[in-house]
Amino acid sequence: DAKTTQPPSMDCAEGRAANLPCNHSTISGNEYVYWYRQIHSQGPQYIIHGLKNNETNEMASLIITEDRKSSTLILPHATLRDTAVYYCIVILSIQGAQKLVFGQGTRLTINP
Amino acid sequence: NAGVTQTPKFRILKIGQSMTLQCTQDMNHNYMYWYRQDPGMGLKLIYYSVGAGITDKGEVPNGYNVSRSTTEDFPLRLELAAPSQTSVYFCASSSLAGEYNEQFFGPGTRLTVL
Repeated sequence: DAKTTQPPSMDCAEGRAANLPCNHSTISGNEYVYWYRQIHSQGPQYIIHGLKNNETNEMASLIITEDRKSSTLILPHATLRDTAVYYCIVILSIQGAQKLVFGQGTRLTINP
Repeated sequence: NAGVTQTPKFRILKIGQSMTLQCTQDMNHNYMYWYRQDPGMGLKLIYYSVGAGITDKGEVPNGYNVSRSTTEDFPLRLELAAPSQTSVYFCASSSLAGEYNEQFFGPGTRLTVL
């Protein structure tokens, strides 16, 4: 699975959009980009995933560049409850057991 | 549904002791996983299972054993506890039939070995 690079920390004002970048320059054509977050000391929580196209769900949007070497997770209206560590993970298969490889992620702090 | 439950929440062990971390899921998921998370680091996969009776090693299996006798349960066994096993342990599950194949995580077990 391709390696990912994320900034260690970011800040965002409450109510603004939080844009979290992720580089995955060695991603192969059939690898997916998944995003999870971990609030305080809880277990990680799935947010969104994508292959080529941009994706949106009730939690966030995922923008993947055309060359697929980077992506951005967007939280459109950040709240204090979005303060968490966000992990960008590249995984080969959308089926079967996924052996997730977590980096150190981005610690996002939402400020009032 | 309770989702993924883990017991105990906290435990302190002495070096050389053994214990079993319990994990149960009530979502009828095929796949189950054990991860550990050291302070300030991301999670690392210890073992995983694709179904009852089938387990396989992850990235950091040394010092641990697992079994999967039922779909619901996936206990993690530490035989001879060492300080290096001080960590937070997360169990997760996912479904073969899941649309996104996302993993659902339990609340974790915080283990200290002294």
